[in-house]
Amino acid sequence: AQKVTQAQTEISVVEKEDVTLDCVYETRDTTYYLFWYKQPPSGELVFLIRRNSFDEQNEISGRYSWNFQKSTSSFNFTITASQVVDSAVYFCALSGAIQGAQKLVFGQGTRLTINP
Amino acid sequence: DTGVSQDPRHKITKRGQNVTFRCDPISEHNRLYWYRQTLGQGPEFLTYFQNEAQLEKSRLLSDRFSAERPKGSFSTLEIQRTEQGDSAMYLCASSPLKGQGFGSPLHFGNGTRLTVT
Repeated sequence: AQKVTQAQTEISVVEKEDVTLDCVYETRDTTYYLFWYKQPPSGELVFLIRRNSFDEQNEISGRYSWNFQKSTSSFNFTITASQVVDSAVYFCALSGAIQGAQKLVFGQGTRLTINP
Repeated sequence: DTGVSQDPRHKITKRGQNVTFRCDPISEHNRLYWYRQTLGQGPEFLTYFQNEAQLEKSRLLSDRFSAERPKGSFSTLEIQRTEQGDSAMYLCASSPLKGQGFGSPLHFGNGTRLTVT
């Protein structure tokens, strides 16, 4: 069975600090996708990044960066120089590559609060 | 691209009543998904359509739940004889069929928050 664990339930930092959100996953699939979504107070899940299991290159997009390590089954997300607008719940998710259905398995989420 | 639209945003109902939610996906997206999210948890998969065909249902979807997508466009999710345990946010998402298929990111709507009293 697939499982995603986000051990950090809540994180609170002061604006401009760097913050890392942890994600550990379990799957028996050799091919899979990992995702990060952001859920602001409005409720809509906003897609941030997708990474497939064959691509372990880290990615940077502006203040966001992602560190994928298959050896430790982790897909961590770092926000550099955090801003108040980054406050939201962040979800890590895993999708299997069989049968074609986009059955995302989500972690419990990490509530990030950036204080001014 | 107007995004995924869900209606209503909020629904309060009494236990035992039936409720129906509507989802309008992004127009060119063939795949449509329903997820349920309870407080403090991540969304859980309920069911999935490819065009008008319902291809998969989760065990979470009891006999009281039914979803349709009659013309392969909008979808409805009906809950009969609601129970307090049905209180949750019901999220709809869509994705294109072509391209990376299962790797395509889902585009989510704002959800319908159901409260059963």
